[in-house]
Amino acid sequence: KNEVEQSPQNLTAQEGEFITINCSYSVGISALHWLQQHPGGGIVSLFMLSSGKKKHGRLIATINIQEKHSSLHITASHPRDSAVYICAVLPYGGSQGNLIFGKGTKLSVKP
Amino acid sequence: SQTIHQWPATLVQPVGSPLSLECTVEGTSNPNLYWYRQAAGRGLQLLFYSVGIGQISSEVPQNLSASRPQDRQFILSSKKLLLSDSGFYLCAWSVRRQGDSPLHFGNGTRLTVT
Repeated sequence: KNEVEQSPQNLTAQEGEFITINCSYSVGISALHWLQQHPGGGIVSLFMLSSGKKKHGRLIATINIQEKHSSLHITASHPRDSAVYICAVLPYGGSQGNLIFGKGTKLSVKP
Repeated sequence: SQTIHQWPATLVQPVGSPLSLECTVEGTSNPNLYWYRQAAGRGLQLLFYSVGIGQISSEVPQNLSASRPQDRQFILSSKKLLLSDSGFYLCAWSVRRQGDSPLHFGNGTRLTVT
């Protein structure tokens, strides 16, 4: 069983739709990252959180430590949001950067 | 502002040939530096990380090595490439001694070993 599971693996949405991507993990963590990987391969860090909720523009990330679950929401989705979204966790006691990565959720937003 | 440069963007190399990928960071001092690999259909995997010049930690046994000759320079090398070394390699940095610092990634190098 993978230590970080993302769902769905693939997601197709119409422009304007509200999108939710889920991440579940099985280890105790210090922090959880949400990353965005563009079609060319470059990766951008969207959020890093250890509790509660963070918002940046149309993106919202939440985490429930007790349930070992995080969600990434995109409001009013746009074709430029099309990318692979990756969840990664830093286990307790793990060295910085030694994250456990999910396999990603490929999002395609149609105009 | 901080920037990270990684090159080349793509590389096709024959089996048995050497490899050198370079990564440099600008606008910050004493960063933690990382090399990750993303194989087809798999998640990112940490290969090496460095907390200072000449200090390299390897996370997985492999055909690759890393070096940090300068504070903001991180090099990934191999003496003889294997087919299994094909993949997408990403360099990243974070603020040292800040456990909750976000990662900043380069644009990656797509390596194909033929």
